[in-house]
Amino acid sequence: QSVLTQPPSVSGAPGQRVTISCTGSSSNIGAGYDVHWYQQLPGTAPKLLIYGNSNRPSGVPDRFSGSKSGTSASLAITGLQAEDEADYYCQSYDSSLSGSDWVFGGGTKLTVL
Amino acid sequence: QVQLVESGGGVVQPGGSLRLSCAASGFTFSSYGMHWVRQAPGKGLEWVAFIRYDGSNKYYADSVKGRFTISRDNSKNTLYLQMNSLRAEDTAVYYCAKVSEPSNYYDSSLDIWGQGTMVTVSS
Repeated sequence: QSVLTQPPSVSGAPGQRVTISCTGSSSNIGAGYDVHWYQQLPGTAPKLLIYGNSNRPSGVPDRFSGSKSGTSASLAITGLQAEDEADYYCQSYDSSLSGSDWVFGGGTKLTVL
Repeated sequence: QVQLVESGGGVVQPGGSLRLSCAASGFTFSSYGMHWVRQAPGKGLEWVAFIRYDGSNKYYADSVKGRFTISRDNSKNTLYLQMNSLRAEDTAVYYCAKVSEPSNYYDSSLDIWGQGTMVTVSS
């Protein structure tokens, strides 16, 4: 069971908007640590998609956006395209009495209908 | 260009050992902390270990603590993961990844990833 909770799957038709949630707790997202998002296309390594909650690296289309509030974060994809079909992971830092770790969400598979 | 290339994966028996390497190029390796992240077949990403830019601090996931050792040789621009007492559940693709911010390692994203190397633990 992942420290950060994501829906296992989401889907949408081309051109639509989808969101992927990432729910944490007071020891990670709620503690103020940044949330980062990664896209993993089939058979490839993960790629940084959003960093620092809402920033896009150079080359990432502005169809992708991120936000954070309280103990949760979200990734939104507008104008859905077939090439967006991939697995998406959120990641943050977790610091509690039992120790500190870098943590990932369980991943969300995006299907473009 | 900025690149990370892993090597050293393979098939090993339970209880065996393996050392993974990650060769870095295109950036000042000695300035950045580095992670190992793994992905079991059909599963999600799992953080494994982190080492600071100068090797002064190392951190491990509970699942590998005491069995795996992360290290680096800044003169060779290379990151390592020594894996001992391997178990079937260690079977995964292992990725090395670079932090994006040299100074804020715990809150930093992983901006560059290698292509991964497969480790299979099986008798």
